[in-house]
Amino acid sequence: DADVTQTPRNRITKTGKRIMLECSQTKGHDRMYWYRQDPGLGLRLIYYSFDVKDINKGEISDGYSVSRQAQAKFSLSLESAIPNQTALYFCATSGGRGPYTFGSGTRLTVV
Amino acid sequence: KNEVEQSPQNLTAQEGEFITINCSYSVGISALHWLQQHPGGGIVSLFMLSSGKKKHGRLIATINIQEKHSSLHITASHPRDSAVYICAVPGGGADGLTFGKGTHLIIQP
Repeated sequence: DADVTQTPRNRITKTGKRIMLECSQTKGHDRMYWYRQDPGLGLRLIYYSFDVKDINKGEISDGYSVSRQAQAKFSLSLESAIPNQTALYFCATSGGRGPYTFGSGTRLTVV
Repeated sequence: KNEVEQSPQNLTAQEGEFITINCSYSVGISALHWLQQHPGGGIVSLFMLSSGKKKHGRLIATINIQEKHSSLHITASHPRDSAVYICAVPGGGADGLTFGKGTHLIIQP
C-alpha cells in the first residue's frame, strides 16, 4: 500500500455539486497538506493541518473546506464546485523537518 | 513569500547527456526540496538539502545558501528520466512549501 493514498484518482462532476476528496496516510506524520496544481502555475497550498485540532488556511482556500478526521485522514471538500476548480489535487504529509510524501493525485474536472 | 524561479522551463536532450536544472529563491531557507513528477501525475521526493551536495544514483543536488541557488544534475541521462522536476522551499508565513513551476525534461533515445 502507498504511504499516502488519495481517492478518487479521477473525478468528473457538475457545476454546483458537492465533492469530497479523501487522503489517508500510513507515515505517522502529524502534518498534512492539500495542494492544487494548475498548468503553468505550479502547486499552491489550499489548507494544512498540524494535528486533528489544528486547521489552517493556505494561499488559495476560498471555495474549499477540510476535515481532519484522525491523524491519518485529511479530507478536502468543494461545497459547490465551479469549473475553475478543475485541477490536479495533491495531498502530502510531513514529519516537520523531513521530506514530504505526496499522494498520487486526484484529477478533478468540473463541467 | 519566497519566490522560486526554475530554469530552463523545458529541456530536450539526447540519451547520455549531462543535465543541469537550476533553482533560485528569494528568501533564506532551512532546506530545499527537489521533486520529480512523471506523466500520470505522481510526485516523488528526490532530495531535501540544506547545504553542500547530495547524490543518489545518477542524480546530484547542490545548494549554495549564500547565493540562494540550487542545481539538480543528472549524469548519463536516460529516457526514463523524462519527467517534470520541481524545486520547492519552505513558504513564508504559513507552513508548507512554495514551488517552482517545474522543468519539463525529455530525454530522447
